[in-house]
Amino acid sequence: DARVTQTPRHKVTEMGQEVTMRCQPILGHNTVFWYRQTMMQGLELLAYFRNRAPLDDSGMPKDRFSAEMPDATLATLKIQPSEPRDSAVYFCASGLPPKLGTHRSTDTQYFGPGTRLTVL
Amino acid sequence: DAKTTQPPSMDCAEGRAANLPCNHSTISGNEYVYWYRQIHSQGPQYIIHGLKNNETNEMASLIITEDRKSSTLILPHATLRDTAVYYCIVRPVYNQGGKLIFGQGTELSVKP
Repeated sequence: DARVTQTPRHKVTEMGQEVTMRCQPILGHNTVFWYRQTMMQGLELLAYFRNRAPLDDSGMPKDRFSAEMPDATLATLKIQPSEPRDSAVYFCASGLPPKLGTHRSTDTQYFGPGTRLTVL
Repeated sequence: DAKTTQPPSMDCAEGRAANLPCNHSTISGNEYVYWYRQIHSQGPQYIIHGLKNNETNEMASLIITEDRKSSTLILPHATLRDTAVYYCIVRPVYNQGGKLIFGQGTELSVKP
């Protein structure tokens, strides 16, 4: 049963520290998404990659957040320096875009279990 | 992307059908209706999607009105494990493979 994995599952850190979250997409999926969920804002997209290239990072604060895909099996999201307002659950999702010309969309995103970040 | 409106919460008795409505009155002809759910402390999970015809899979059925301005997700025999927040999302066909825009969803409580 293929799944998206995320590490760590929980992270507590102090303001100003660097935080790195990791995601392993489902093998063969070429699109990786980072979402953030808070009580106030709900689920929102931070960035996503296709074939390891960033396609949209407009939801990500550029001054402190960075997202990369060093290889096809690893995506990272870094926050430096972290702030209390970054406290949230960060989800990674992976998927495959449907083949061009197909009648039905088969565009499903598979989400990982999330990383719960608390910045004190 | 077209906006959706869902009731904030619903209750359903275990074993009964859960019918979750979604209003998407500004949907355009090239937009799909997607449903995801999020069980507490887990990542969202895909349920079903459709364009204009009704759809059914092993999890649920999706009924889309003829004018496509609203839809209903049906869980035919709800169990306690179906307690979750259900999100109705409208996405353009050209956005296939792109981001999901989540609203507030409907919090479904299945009660014994």
